[in-house]
Amino acid sequence: NAGVTQTPKFRVLKTGQSMTLLCAQDMNHEYMYWYRQDPGMGLRLIHYSVGEGTTAKGEVPDGYNVSRLKKQNFLLGLESAAPSQTSVYFCASSDIAGQVLDSPLHFGNGTRLTVT
Amino acid sequence: AQRVTQPEKLLSVFKGAPVELKCNYSYSGSPELFWYVQYSRQRLQLLLRHISRESIKGFTADLNKGETSFHLKKPFAQEEDSAMYYCALMGGSEKLVFGKGMKLTVNP
Repeated sequence: NAGVTQTPKFRVLKTGQSMTLLCAQDMNHEYMYWYRQDPGMGLRLIHYSVGEGTTAKGEVPDGYNVSRLKKQNFLLGLESAAPSQTSVYFCASSDIAGQVLDSPLHFGNGTRLTVT
Repeated sequence: AQRVTQPEKLLSVFKGAPVELKCNYSYSGSPELFWYVQYSRQRLQLLLRHISRESIKGFTADLNKGETSFHLKKPFAQEEDSAMYYCALMGGSEKLVFGKGMKLTVNP
């Protein structure tokens, strides 16, 4: 049981380049989330999805887009990367907002992105 | 609005000392509160949630609605407790809001 898998694990981009981060979960979870983790800032929610075909903005959505075409996948896109987007990105998933599980969120291992 | 405040960024103690990691929250309804832990370069994992009222790895946390706090405590810290700790709140929405985190270092 893989849980939540993020690809790639590391990436270096130049300013203005684009990329897509992939998150895949095999737990049939309805809810999926993208967070960024920065020193002194904790985890901040970028976008989230409450089901296939739906997405919503979190705290810091600017500069990012997402898609949830399949229930098991949640993609995070950067159309034109900026140095301010240098961060560690974590994907997470949960079942019905975690009300029936011991662990409300299952996290991936993270993607370390550097934008130069 | 949901908000989680962890007032201290760093805490350094010696092995065997008690630790208390503070967490205060702001939410008008009945919150669900959690503590997550992240060991060095690992994924975040749930440490405990208030609704379970259990002790995990010697840690406990009591929800105090009057003080809107959910402080994490352990009477005798161990070196393996060194990690980042995040307090998190889930209110009426589907979103889990995290505090900024606190780095605990337990020295030998």
